[in-house]
Amino acid sequence: QITLKESGPTLVKPTQTLTLTCTFSGFSLSTSGVGVGWIRQPPGKALEWLALIYWDDDKRYSPSLKSRLTITKDTSKNQVVLTMTNMDPVDTATYYCAHSGYSYGYLPDYWGQGTLVTVSS
Amino acid sequence: QSALTQPASVSGSPGQSITISCTGTSSDVGSYNLVSWYQQHPGKAPKLMIYEVSKRPSGVSNRFSGSKSGNTASLTISGLQAEDEADYYCCSYAGSSSPYVFGTGTKVTVL
Repeated sequence: QITLKESGPTLVKPTQTLTLTCTFSGFSLSTSGVGVGWIRQPPGKALEWLALIYWDDDKRYSPSLKSRLTITKDTSKNQVVLTMTNMDPVDTATYYCAHSGYSYGYLPDYWGQGTLVTVSS
Repeated sequence: QSALTQPASVSGSPGQSITISCTGTSSDVGSYNLVSWYQQHPGKAPKLMIYEVSKRPSGVSNRFSGSKSGNTASLTISGLQAEDEADYYCCSYAGSSSPYVFGTGTKVTVL
């Protein structure tokens, strides 16, 4: 049974750096073809893909946010960490992490519950 | 990388069928048979309903079906039920450099 859970601050100030952790179970991020990605959703708005890290440590970023994002993994801890610099109120959103793999077409299949991050002074 | 285009809203009466479109480009939807659809109820995480254009994960009702023609993918919900009222998002693989692109989302209302 695959599960993921996001954790991190619920409130950050403008210009600060956000660090979110995705802790997962039921799969290994060292298995070929597996990835963990981050997706966000501003209140009342659509889903937006942010970043993705693969089992082989290959990393991909949304072109529009690439300069602000860093994704890393700790396979031994079953964790993936996303950092986003220079936070702005428009970054207020629910942030999800999600598993992807060959079973369901390499797009997100299992999702965490999400964590709401508010950017405000 | 632009978001895939979906209608903002679709509605139908119980028992009817509705179809949600998801229009991309030849760089995403048109190039790969890797389109997924997600159902999202208020305050909940997205749930995978369709993958690889037309396949259903175990446990998803066969009232949900998917298809694709050219740069447009579609999700059809047949025998509409009250519990189907939710937001629906498509997602397509868009190449190795920027793998995911999501749709703009569609609110389904059961009248």
